[in-house]
Amino acid sequence: AQKVTQAQTEISVVEKEDVTLDCVYETRDTTYYLFWYKQPPSGELVFLIRRNSFDEQNEISGRYSWNFQKSTSSFNFTITASQVVDSAVYFCALSEGNTGNQFYFGTGTSLTVIP
Amino acid sequence: NAGVTQTPKFRILKIGQSMTLQCAQDMNHNYMYWYRQDPGMGLKLIYYSVGAGITDKGEVPNGYNVSRSTTEDFPLRLELAAPSQTSVYFCASTPSGLPSYEQYFGPGTRLTVT
Repeated sequence: AQKVTQAQTEISVVEKEDVTLDCVYETRDTTYYLFWYKQPPSGELVFLIRRNSFDEQNEISGRYSWNFQKSTSSFNFTITASQVVDSAVYFCALSEGNTGNQFYFGTGTSLTVIP
Repeated sequence: NAGVTQTPKFRILKIGQSMTLQCAQDMNHNYMYWYRQDPGMGLKLIYYSVGAGITDKGEVPNGYNVSRSTTEDFPLRLELAAPSQTSVYFCASTPSGLPSYEQYFGPGTRLTVT
């Protein structure tokens, strides 16, 4: 079974629109961490954010915000006023408490921001 | 710090050839990982290591081997390359086995087997 599901394969938005990337996870652990990574066209993986299972506060960082809801096992990522530089593949990942920091990645969402 | 480095960046192999993908990190991280990324499939864990001399299989280890003789280096060996091993390979490291630490990724190696 897939531990991390990113149902949106590809999304296209026009510049300045807001866009939300969905992430649903599955775990039986009470202690776990969720991550978002960005993979721009250059190919490297860039760490964006980490959230632990005990902290359900939403987080905002500039145009980025994250909504963590344990009740729905979701950790969604919103980009406000999107820009062309936001075009990338975004990955959600799960790390559980007893797996030696093994990451389980979703299949990624490819975001294209059209100027 | 150079972080995590990988060589080569690109490689084309013929079926049946062998090669070693190099990975090194200069952050003194104990944990290192090898992933492969296939189009539309996310990253799959091939092998990982929790320290020098200790390695373990991930989700997709078949066709690969690893060794970890030093903290810094974690090479991935492909024996008898097959077209199914065409992929982008990422090496990553993290200082601890605690789930709270993010993984630091190298730039990737794009491998084509024809």
